[in-house]
Amino acid sequence: ETGVTQSPTHLIKTRGQQVTLRCSSQSGHNTVSWYQQALGQGPQFIFQYYREEENGRGNFPPRFSGLQFPNYSSELNVNALELDDSALYLCASSLDSGNTIYFGEGSWLTVV
Amino acid sequence: AQRVTQPEKLLSVFKGAPVELKCNYSYSGSPELFWYVQYSRQRLQLLLRHISRESIKGFTADLNKGETSFHLKKPFAQEEDSAMYYCALTPYNTDKLIFGTGTRLQVFP
Repeated sequence: ETGVTQSPTHLIKTRGQQVTLRCSSQSGHNTVSWYQQALGQGPQFIFQYYREEENGRGNFPPRFSGLQFPNYSSELNVNALELDDSALYLCASSLDSGNTIYFGEGSWLTVV
Repeated sequence: AQRVTQPEKLLSVFKGAPVELKCNYSYSGSPELFWYVQYSRQRLQLLLRHISRESIKGFTADLNKGETSFHLKKPFAQEEDSAMYYCALTPYNTDKLIFGTGTRLQVFP
């Protein structure tokens, strides 16, 4: 076990609603990243946090936001949900830049 | 543009046959290249990275900068190799992984 846990595992939301997905990284992992994986696609980088500061962002609109907390947990928030936001959301953490990146099992989000 | 291309969605072989999963990348600088694997009902995990130049579970991958390729190879496939394989790169000095669309490897007995 890598120690990266995500919750919830599955959820269904209605278009226009807001969602918060949670991730608990391994103790000591200062870097956490979030990825979106649509069906049949590879994971797409959303953003990364390092020591509670955003440290890089992919091509996602501002309605995708995040937080990282001192206890190595983090959140991904998505506002004004759209149907295309339906995907598997993966959290990944590492000790520091250049170290092995460990993935969680993901949260399946369905927007109806 | 930074891009990773895996041309095959599905690769089917029989046990004992050689396997090559293709990966090409587009990046102007010096990327770091990875292969990630996802077995059924398991999380995505690192298989190998080019800077380590190691063999994991019999798999190897050589970075060919001239052809911008990082193909994954194994001389004799095993049934337990059946999984989804993703090639990925990180641009220089970042941890942002750029993934390909993945290749499903099926190894038949």
